[in-house]
Amino acid sequence: SQQGEEDPQALSIQEGENATMNCSYKTSINNLQWYRQNSGRGLVHLILIRSNEREKHSGRLRVTLDTSKKSSSLLITASRAADTASYFCATVGTSGAGSYQLTFGKGTKLSVIP
Amino acid sequence: NAGVTQTPKFQVLKTGQSMTLQCAQDMNHEYMSWYRQDPGMGLRLIHYSVGAGITDQGEVPNGYNVSRSTTEDFPLRLLSAAPSQTSVYFCASSYSSGPRGPYQPQHFGDGTRLSIL
Repeated sequence: SQQGEEDPQALSIQEGENATMNCSYKTSINNLQWYRQNSGRGLVHLILIRSNEREKHSGRLRVTLDTSKKSSSLLITASRAADTASYFCATVGTSGAGSYQLTFGKGTKLSVIP
Repeated sequence: NAGVTQTPKFQVLKTGQSMTLQCAQDMNHEYMSWYRQDPGMGLRLIHYSVGAGITDQGEVPNGYNVSRSTTEDFPLRLLSAAPSQTSVYFCASSYSSGPRGPYQPQHFGDGTRLSIL
């Protein structure tokens, strides 16, 4: 079963605006990862945040993690048309089979309008 | 350094046929996995391997078989293709630092688009 669930399912914004996507998960995690997928391509890793971290930055990307609420958010600032893609969160559990499996959510489809 | 290479990119099969999807990585990654991606379902884990000679089942393993005889290769076999296996298949790999598992960023191939008639 899917561990992470992204919200919203789809998001449409104007170029230059910020885009925020949320991810909720159900069980304890070792880390949470965000990926981007352009149409017809494989997934590309964006950011990994560990369970003892609260915030991480990479260029125009900012990821937060709230383990008490079992949620994470991905913020893309000053969006560009090239940011148009699907974004997925994925989690690694802390014990049992979950610690060997990276479980993905269903993704947020982001459209950035020029 | 080619990364993760999947072949073929496209394939059409008839129900009942068998085939092998190939996945190779040249990064000396211990951890490798197979996912299928269906519309509205995200990615679901089929099988994974934490090292050569070690494989295990993921969320949707039925109808698929894997082996890991070398660090580089992780083929996925469809034993008797069914229309429900029409999907896009992705292979991924990563280092396993410390605990064995997908604790590092995953590198994905570009996928195999499989249609079963």
